[in-house]
Amino acid sequence: AIRMTQSPSSLSASTGDRVTITCRASQGISSYLAWYQQKPGKAPKLLIYAASTLQSGVPSRFSGSGSGTDFTLTISCLQSEDFATYYCQHYYSYPLTFGGGTKVEIK
Amino acid sequence: EVQLVEAGGGLIQPGGSLRLSCAASGFTVSSIYMSWVRQAPGKGLEWVSVIYSGGSTYYADSVKGRFTISRDNSKNTLYLQMNSLRVEDTAVYYCAGGGSTVTGGFDPWGQGTLVTVSS
Repeated sequence: AIRMTQSPSSLSASTGDRVTITCRASQGISSYLAWYQQKPGKAPKLLIYAASTLQSGVPSRFSGSGSGTDFTLTISCLQSEDFATYYCQHYYSYPLTFGGGTKVEIK
Repeated sequence: EVQLVEAGGGLIQPGGSLRLSCAASGFTVSSIYMSWVRQAPGKGLEWVSVIYSGGSTYYADSVKGRFTISRDNSKNTLYLQMNSLRVEDTAVYYCAGGGSTVTGGFDPWGQGTLVTVSS
């Protein structure tokens, strides 16, 4: 199985900050990568797929980049509603696997 | 409006069986890939199973041989039959659209149903 490693596992930031989360795959996955946001007690929400394509309705302050094994999710100007846990997920082959998550907390 | 509503979770003893359901509205479950994803308490997300529009199925190794994904097109409902349940199967189970290895991402998601396996 392809292992997805996210870093950091948590971070503290302030509203207005630029935040970057990294996701590394244990083998090349081309651009078959998605990012999700999850708030406590809620289902995850798809933010980005194909590594850099924004899902409909997702604010443009979210962006994704990368291909192969290294990927990033960037929030350009953190808003109060962005404090949540973020997960990456590959869909290159079965089994589909997720990263361990990055919790974005208020500084 | 596109919506998924899960049901069937609860408390079950180890070794027992449970069937989860996921009723869809606003789209047809047989027209897209549909998956189950679970999340143990305080933990990350784990893909469980997918059913293709054509009926093919795939499973995570952790549930292979114990869980069965299926759908009832007449009821527009997805199912997960869970047998030989273990304590480590305790989780919130979400149904979600997607699970393809070509087109990306899980969307939409249901609200989740909690399965607790404990004696």
